[in-house]
Amino acid sequence: DQQVKQNSPSLSVQEGRISILNCDYTNSMFDYFLWYKKYPAEGPTFLISISSIKDKNEDGRFTVFLNKSAKHLSLHIVPSQPGDSAVYFCAASRQTGANNLFFGTGTRLTVIP
Amino acid sequence: ETGVTQTPRHLVMGMTNKKSLKCEQHLGHNAMYWYKQSAKKPLELMFVYNFKEQTENNSVPSRFSPECPNSSHLFLHLHTLQPEDSALYLCASSLDPGQDNEKLFFGSGTQLSVL
Repeated sequence: DQQVKQNSPSLSVQEGRISILNCDYTNSMFDYFLWYKKYPAEGPTFLISISSIKDKNEDGRFTVFLNKSAKHLSLHIVPSQPGDSAVYFCAASRQTGANNLFFGTGTRLTVIP
Repeated sequence: ETGVTQTPRHLVMGMTNKKSLKCEQHLGHNAMYWYKQSAKKPLELMFVYNFKEQTENNSVPSRFSPECPNSSHLFLHLHTLQPEDSALYLCASSLDPGQDNEKLFFGSGTQLSVL
């Protein structure tokens, strides 16, 4: 049973517009959430994270929003650039331990020039 | 070299073969991990090593045998695999899995095909 779900396998967005990637989780014990980005033939790389004590974290063009009551988080990319085209994985854990990290199946983002 | 390096990048093997995947991290981390990524499935944690000691084995079949000779090197020995074991195998490292808000650093993976 998947504890972290990314229900959209793919998303296409025009360059310069906003990309919104969504993630839902089922385990209310999760209190740390991360987004990883993966280019073809490369491993996932850490992008941005958020702790459950916050509802928003921003890093440049990337913002993650957390809605604990809905068990939902989203990644906003503004403005989207062609170099953002990649697969984005959502992950969640209890704070203590990278070995307790649960991943979603990923969303493939394509930014159209 | 920096980061996490995995070899080989691609591997094709028969069900009766024995092969090994290699991972090396140059980040000074203390924990190393093996993950499996099958098509349309989430990344699945297979093994965790912390300071060379195996701390996690997520019910992985014995045809997968990990080895961690030191904190910088991790191997995954493969024997008598099944076609359903075909997947991308990712190695990762982190500073200390017991710390809060730990981040994983991944290698590029080995794409394994079992014929």
